[in-house]
Amino acid sequence: SQELEQSPQSLIVQEGKNLTINCTSSKTLYGLYWYKQKYGEGLIFLMMLQKGGEEKSHEKITAKLDEKKQQSSLHITASQPSHAGIYLCGADHRGSRLTFGEGTQLTVNP
Amino acid sequence: DTEVTQTPKHLVMGMTNKKSLKCEQHMGHRAMYWYKQKAKKPPELMFVYSYEKLSINESVPSRFSPECPNSSLLNLHLHALQPEDSALYLCASSQRLAGGMNTQYFGPGTRLTVL
Repeated sequence: SQELEQSPQSLIVQEGKNLTINCTSSKTLYGLYWYKQKYGEGLIFLMMLQKGGEEKSHEKITAKLDEKKQQSSLHITASQPSHAGIYLCGADHRGSRLTFGEGTQLTVNP
Repeated sequence: DTEVTQTPKHLVMGMTNKKSLKCEQHMGHRAMYWYKQKAKKPPELMFVYSYEKLSINESVPSRFSPECPNSSLLNLHLHALQPEDSALYLCASSQRLAGGMNTQYFGPGTRLTVL
């Protein structure tokens, strides 16, 4: 969706490296969601951010919301092969539906 | 528990067949969703039910017919599908449709192949 730009499209990292995925909205954000998907499977909810400056962490994954820039970043510290998959951001633009970014394909090489 | 279940996991059907996809959740959620996902693309919203009533239909062809028989169940009836309808069909649910309680939890999906 052009309303939500996600970058990079794909990312290949060596195990143990840190990485960041970005998601930028062209519209006002009322909520920003991060999901992870393995190919051919359902989406796994990671985190939801609502307030500017909000930061949440789960294990080695941290997400932040920059309200001014209408942008969120997902940071993985010391990546592991289990982090591999497709990361999708979803935006709540107050339309009773989520708009998804195109996704970031993450590969972690052992 | 944030589990949404979907059956079947895989489905192969001919263009003249009638089949149904089933989705179930027992989290007390009152909003349920159907999405279609093609390979290497994000999910596309098809239908949304809120309190068992159809709230959003994203101009989906009539060969797809949703049904919400009760607050825990969501069906998608399929008839006279085309090969381009082959995709991963995802069901999701959330507490409510909006108002800050709309984190969506997804099922594992049904992989549909139309021959």
